[in-house]
Amino acid sequence: GQQLNQSPQSMFIQEGEDVSMNCTSSSIFNTWLWYKQEPGEGPVLLIALYKAGELTSNGRLTAQFGITRKDSFLNISASIPSDVGIYFCAGQAGGSQGNLIFGKGTKLSVKP
Amino acid sequence: DGGITQSPKYLFRKEGQNVTLSCEQNLNHDAMYWYRQDPGQGLRLIYYSQIVNDFQKGDIAEGYSVSREKKESFPLTVTSAQKNPTAFYLCASSRGTGAWGELFFGEGSRLTVL
Repeated sequence: GQQLNQSPQSMFIQEGEDVSMNCTSSSIFNTWLWYKQEPGEGPVLLIALYKAGELTSNGRLTAQFGITRKDSFLNISASIPSDVGIYFCAGQAGGSQGNLIFGKGTKLSVKP
Repeated sequence: DGGITQSPKYLFRKEGQNVTLSCEQNLNHDAMYWYRQDPGQGLRLIYYSQIVNDFQKGDIAEGYSVSREKKESFPLTVTSAQKNPTAFYLCASSRGTGAWGELFFGEGSRLTVL
């Protein structure tokens, strides 16, 4: 089946640093989404991307839908302690909503 | 406030027992989902429902059952046939057409089998 490769698996950064993470797939997706999950809670949608090449920002977060439709990246600028959590990418090929595929997540730790 | 409510948050069960996890939403969303999350893993789809009285199997439906008798409710039963039920279970909903992937999640239910 379809799989998403999300990297890095984990990151340990200093407060104020910028962060970059990405997801790649061997298949084409029509939608890319980025979620954040804090410990013991459900994921929260950060950004949704619907067009190849689309670049979308949400505060200090910026995400892009790759031109090839097989990848996406998420950048966080000037990280702060509350950015800590697990970031998941998700891709959807279209058709039935049952085929939303999640990456395994990038665990972000921020040192004050 | 609108949202998704899962209960219980923590649940312990003995082997061989069925257990039902509750999921209620007041967002008026058409679609609802159940995901399973294991440490270091992404979310895996168990079941989903697009409309009342209809649901579809996801990638790991074996050992689970669901019902969708009301738009607001989508309970999940973890049966004794599920070989490795200890996990974090997440319920989600979405508006539907044009926004299937924009999921709103509950806070999750952590099931531990003793």
